[in-house]
Amino acid sequence: DVKVTQSSRYLVKRTGEKVFLECVQDMDHENMFWYRQDPGLGLRLIYFSYDVKMKEKGDIPEGYSVSREKKERFSLILESASTNQTSMYLCASRPGQGGNTEAFFGQGTRLTVV
Amino acid sequence: AQSVTQLDSQVPVFEEAPVELRCNYSSSVSVYLFWYVQYPNQGLQLLLKYLSGSTLVESINGFEAEFNKSQTSFHLRKPSVHISDTAEYFCAVESGYSTLTFGKGTMLLVSP
Repeated sequence: DVKVTQSSRYLVKRTGEKVFLECVQDMDHENMFWYRQDPGLGLRLIYFSYDVKMKEKGDIPEGYSVSREKKERFSLILESASTNQTSMYLCASRPGQGGNTEAFFGQGTRLTVV
Repeated sequence: AQSVTQLDSQVPVFEEAPVELRCNYSSSVSVYLFWYVQYPNQGLQLLLKYLSGSTLVESINGFEAEFNKSQTSFHLRKPSVHISDTAEYFCAVESGYSTLTFGKGTMLLVSP
């Protein structure tokens, strides 16, 4: 059974903290993604990576960074958490040819910044 | 730039009634279209996809979607819904570089 695993389901952090959200996939997929999901706004792409050590900005990268040191792991970093980053964060992976292939999602991390 | 418009944020319906969830897209790349479903407290999972060929695609649980190029639409339908279909449904379009652009979602609320 294919799997994308996010390390935490729920996180509560304080304003100004550095926050790490971890995602691991076991399907040997080249592409990995971080989205944030907010009511009424759907899913918005933060960053994605198409290979180890490669990263590309998505639609809303401000306030975030990412790291991909190994193929199976893609980390989202909030350098200094702010209350407007309270959201659901979803990680996804997809095979290298992308395009017509299915994206697999983790169960999400609900982050609250207080 | 690619975009997806889901016209309805919520669709309430009674059990065993038919339903249509609307999706319109714009795309400057090859048109690959997807519907994903999110059940409460879960991640997204693929419901069905249009890649090429027949414009009508079906899922294993009775949903179908029809690709209409002239109307740039990919509406999702089910002839008879169940309580268990209550979920949020997202339409998505391939956006190049293996990324997907999602609509804002439609919450399907099925009541007895």
